[in-house]
Amino acid sequence: DADVTQTPRNRITKTGKRIMLECSQTKGHDRMYWYRQDPGLGLRLIYYSFDVKDINKGEISDGYSVSRQAQAKFSLSLESAIPNQTALYFCATSDLGHSTDTQYFGPGTRLTVL
Amino acid sequence: SQKIEQNSEALNIQEGKTATLTCNYTNYSPAYLQWYRQDPGRGPVFLLLIRENEKEKRKERLKVTFDTTLKQSLFHITASQPADSATYLCALDMFSGGYNKLIFGAGTRLAVHP
Repeated sequence: DADVTQTPRNRITKTGKRIMLECSQTKGHDRMYWYRQDPGLGLRLIYYSFDVKDINKGEISDGYSVSRQAQAKFSLSLESAIPNQTALYFCATSDLGHSTDTQYFGPGTRLTVL
Repeated sequence: SQKIEQNSEALNIQEGKTATLTCNYTNYSPAYLQWYRQDPGRGPVFLLLIRENEKEKRKERLKVTFDTTLKQSLFHITASQPADSATYLCALDMFSGGYNKLIFGAGTRLAVHP
């Protein structure tokens, strides 16, 4: 979905390196999310933000941090990458004004930690 | 905690047949359930939403049912086509900490053969 973009699309890094994944959206949504996807485990929520001043931990936030720089931008950082953080990472958005949390996903970032 | 079960084995069907995918859940009664399609290396795309007070929802060749007694949703694709081959994820809302958030199943891969 071109309305939600992620950079980089692919990244290979080494253990211990700091990595930042960026997400931008033009949908005008208030809510933004970061998920990781591993084979057989589905999407797991890392962090979510309902507005610039509201950031919350998801089910697997250890080892990650986030920054909501603006309504349209939400970044995920791995302070010291480790191999088990190798996964596909997705950013998503949803509209706070709706009663249902239908989410719109970016194209994903494939991260490999060696 | 909420558990969502989707058949981890791929579903292989012949073109023109109806594909039926299952989503079972435990420990919670969601207000609504959503289905997403995910193609390899891409983000999930929203398809359909069904609310707890709805038995069935249709969109073109897609049909979703929601049985809150059985705690099950069925996703049907009629007159299936090879282009329908993808992984299909179900997601349900969980009310926690004062707001709803989505919990995703691991998905079922559908392969439609000519």
